Amino acid sequence: DSGVTQTPKHLITATGQRVTLRCSPRSGDLSVYWYQQSLDQGLQFLIQYYNGEERAKGNILERFSAQQFPDLHSELNLSSLELGDSALYFCASSVTGTSQRTDTQYFGPGTRLTVL
Amino acid sequence: QQQVKQSPQSLIVQKGGISIINCAYENTAFDYFPWYQQFPGKGPALLIAIRPDVSEKKEGRFTISFNKSAKQFSLHIMDSQPGDSATYFCAAIQTGANNLFFGTGTRLTVIP
Repeated sequence: DSGVTQTPKHLITATGQRVTLRCSPRSGDLSVYWYQQSLDQGLQFLIQYYNGEERAKGNILERFSAQQFPDLHSELNLSSLELGDSALYFCASSVTGTSQRTDTQYFGPGTRLTVL
Repeated sequence: QQQVKQSPQSLIVQKGGISIINCAYENTAFDYFPWYQQFPGKGPALLIAIRPDVSEKKEGRFTISFNKSAKQFSLHIMDSQPGDSATYFCAAIQTGANNLFFGTGTRLTVIP
């Protein structure tokens, strides 16, 4: 168990809908990362938050957004869902995520999103 | 563009054998190379990692070999066990950057 929790475990929804995925980082970790894992694209970095502020953006669609709250949990919001958004979404956390060092990223169990 | 290329896509090894997974990268700014192990229904878990100032790192049955000039690194699993059956991902990151670049994964099956 990595100490990173994600809810829900599974999510089934229809095209055009909006969903919210939730992540709680390990105790003491300030950075949260979101990754998408799909069969054709593999594991791709979406976005990082550090202590409530956006730190880095990867291949995140404009229909997707995220935020990190004062208690450090994070939410990934996916809107106007398309069939191609079906994937596993992982949250990871690390101690800092600053430019001074490379911290180990610990991954949660993921949320499987199915868009019908 | 795939920043980290991984092969093979799948691997079947007999119990007790050696499993070898290879990765290659282009970006010479990468300076930290972790390997993650993922079981079905679980998130990736850090297995072992290496920095390019050493050519090899060993932890138990798992060894990373690193060839900086060739920009290649590999994972060797000695005495492979059925419990090692999982998907393995190599990754790379540059200190100061924030995102891991993952390989496409290798599904390892160790048969008894």
